[in-house]
Amino acid sequence: NAGVTQTPKFQVLKTGQSMTLQCAQDMNHEYMSWYRQDPGMGLRLIHYSVGAGITDQGEVPNGYNVSRSTTEDFPLRLLSAAPSQTSVYFCASSPRVGGYGYTFGSGTRLTVV
Amino acid sequence: AQRVTQPEKLLSVFKGAPVELKCNYSYSGSPELFWYVQYSRQRLQLLLRHISRESIKGFTADLNKGETSFHLKKPFAQEEDSAMYYCALSDRAAGNKLTFGGGTRVLVKP
Repeated sequence: NAGVTQTPKFQVLKTGQSMTLQCAQDMNHEYMSWYRQDPGMGLRLIHYSVGAGITDQGEVPNGYNVSRSTTEDFPLRLLSAAPSQTSVYFCASSPRVGGYGYTFGSGTRLTVV
Repeated sequence: AQRVTQPEKLLSVFKGAPVELKCNYSYSGSPELFWYVQYSRQRLQLLLRHISRESIKGFTADLNKGETSFHLKKPFAQEEDSAMYYCALSDRAAGNKLTFGGGTRVLVKP
C-alpha cells in the first residue's frame, strides 16, 4: 500500500514550457486534490475531483488543467509555465466518507526560470 | 466563504514548556477540523481530527463552536515537535476539500 505517489520529486522548467505532474493513489479514494504551498501562504487548492470524470476548480486554478479518467490517477498539467508557478505541489486523496481528512503525497518541488 | 486563521506565524518555546497553537475558523455549516504537521521538507501528515477526540504525540485539540476555535495544545513540548503546523477545515459539501490556515512554525529550543 504505497498511499499517494507523486512524480517527479523535483523539476526545473523554462518559462513557457508545459509539463504534467503525476499523482496516483492505491487506497481507492474517491476524492483527490492538488495544492500548492508557498512561504507564508499555507496551502492553496488548485483543483479537486470527487470521482472519475468529475473535476472542479479550487482557489487558484489559473494556468493549470486536470483530468480524472480513473479513480487512481489525477495528473496536473501546467499549460505554459510562468515564474509565479514556482512552488511545491502536493497531491492528496480522501475517502468520500467525511471526517478522515486527506492523505498527502511527498510533493513536487517545481522551479520555473 | 470558509476561512481558517492561524494568528501566530512562529512560536518559540523551551523544551518542557507548554505550547498552544491557535486556530480560528469561519464556516456556515457543521465544521470538520484537522491539524496537520509537516516536518522539515516532508509531506503533510494528519495529526488530529476533531471528531476522534484523541491525543496524538501528546497533542490535544478541542473544538469550541462558540468561539469558532480549534486550538492545538501540548503540556510539555519536545525538540522533535519542531515543525510546521497547519489547521484545516473540511467542506463536506464540496469533495471534503480542505481550507488551510497560513501555518505556525514551532521551534522547540533545548
